Amino acid sequence: AQSVTQPDIHITVSEGASLELRCNYSYGATPYLFWYVQSPGQGLQLLLKYFSGDTLVQGIKGFEAEFKRSQSSFNLRKPSVHWSDAAEYFCAVGAKYNNNDMRFGAGTRLTVKP
Amino acid sequence: DTGVSQNPRHKITKRGQNVTFRCDPISEHNRLYWYRQTLGQGPEFLTYFQNEAQLEKSRLLSDRFSAERPKGSFSTLEIQRTEQGDSAMYLCASSLDAGGLGTQYFGPGTRLLVL
Repeated sequence: AQSVTQPDIHITVSEGASLELRCNYSYGATPYLFWYVQSPGQGLQLLLKYFSGDTLVQGIKGFEAEFKRSQSSFNLRKPSVHWSDAAEYFCAVGAKYNNNDMRFGAGTRLTVKP
Repeated sequence: DTGVSQNPRHKITKRGQNVTFRCDPISEHNRLYWYRQTLGQGPEFLTYFQNEAQLEKSRLLSDRFSAERPKGSFSTLEIQRTEQGDSAMYLCASSLDAGGLGTQYFGPGTRLLVL
């Protein structure tokens, strides 16, 4: 079964600084990969997804992620963080033919300093 | 498209009581999922429906939990004889799947507190 590791529980960056959130997955075949963001007390909003093709994926709110098969990683990046980006970020991996089996990481909480 | 909605948003109950949550998916989505999220963790899969059929249940879903999607539209999740360990955020998601993994869109969740 697939699994996801988000090594950083909490990250603090200054507003305007660049951001990289790490995600490592374990899966035997080509994974479907997702990044979601969750604001306090809210549900999850999809930022971006990777199914196939170009390994650099663009998402909403200026986020991008790069799929690196050799490193089993799908790190999320943003060149300049805004105060409104403060939230919890979840990486998830799914299997193409097992629709129910999407696994989430434990999340990375992002704090943005003014 | 108004997104996935869930009601109530918050529920406080006493141990031993029954609770029921409702999820209204995006209208054209044929799949509906329930997840549980505890503090500091990502969502954990509970069960999912393809139209009105409940296709899989996680081992996390004890016999006190039951979910229905009677007409293939909205779904309800009932917890009987609640326990303090049931306190969590219950998330619903829906997707349009046609032979593969469609993107799941999440509702705002129902936060349950069992006293």
